[in-house]
Amino acid sequence: ILNVEQSPQSLHVQEGDSTNFTCSFPSSNFYALHWYRWETAKSPEALFVMTLNGDEKKKGRISATLNTKEGYSYLYIKGSQPEDSATYLCAAPNTGNQFYFGTGTSLTVIP
Amino acid sequence: SQTIHQWPATLVQPVGSPLSLECTVEGTSNPNLYWYRQAAGRGLQLLFYSVGIGQISSEVPQNLSASRPQDRQFILSSKKLLLSDSGFYLCAWDRVRDTEAFFGQGTRLTVV
Repeated sequence: ILNVEQSPQSLHVQEGDSTNFTCSFPSSNFYALHWYRWETAKSPEALFVMTLNGDEKKKGRISATLNTKEGYSYLYIKGSQPEDSATYLCAAPNTGNQFYFGTGTSLTVIP
Repeated sequence: SQTIHQWPATLVQPVGSPLSLECTVEGTSNPNLYWYRQAAGRGLQLLFYSVGIGQISSEVPQNLSASRPQDRQFILSSKKLLLSDSGFYLCAWDRVRDTEAFFGQGTRLTVV
């Protein structure tokens, strides 16, 4: 079992604010780090798949960075909008093919 | 394009009753298949994964079992449900570790 942790557990921000949250994972035998967005009543959807140390990926106002040596990834949301409200999950595979998810960060953007 | 179907969407079952949740994938072959559960206030917990027909690995000892009778079919079962089996169950598939996973719509199971 892989220990993947996320913080904070929940976050409330005002519309227009920028925010970020953290995913930490074991740095040994790193293979990949995934970020998913999970909206209420929908399925989780992939945001980013990151594999290289120093990777930075961007999709619109959302970006993510990866540090495999120290075992963490940051997800940033610039200028939060109410539609960004969701739970953001990160996941990492072990040496097999099993993915382990963090408990997620629940983001609420207040209009 | 690939799609994943999971049913039923919601289920209310009495303690001690059996369970069968089904998941099927279309548009791809030999996917890795997963069952996850989210218990109230907790994250996604990996229950079972399968890399091929008849190949099932369990992550957590529990009251549940899984089967993969066909390449793109994954079934989660229980002979006798417990109250602690209540939760939100998600089926997912992927090809390899560095590609994204795709999730079904989930099943909300309430054991009463």
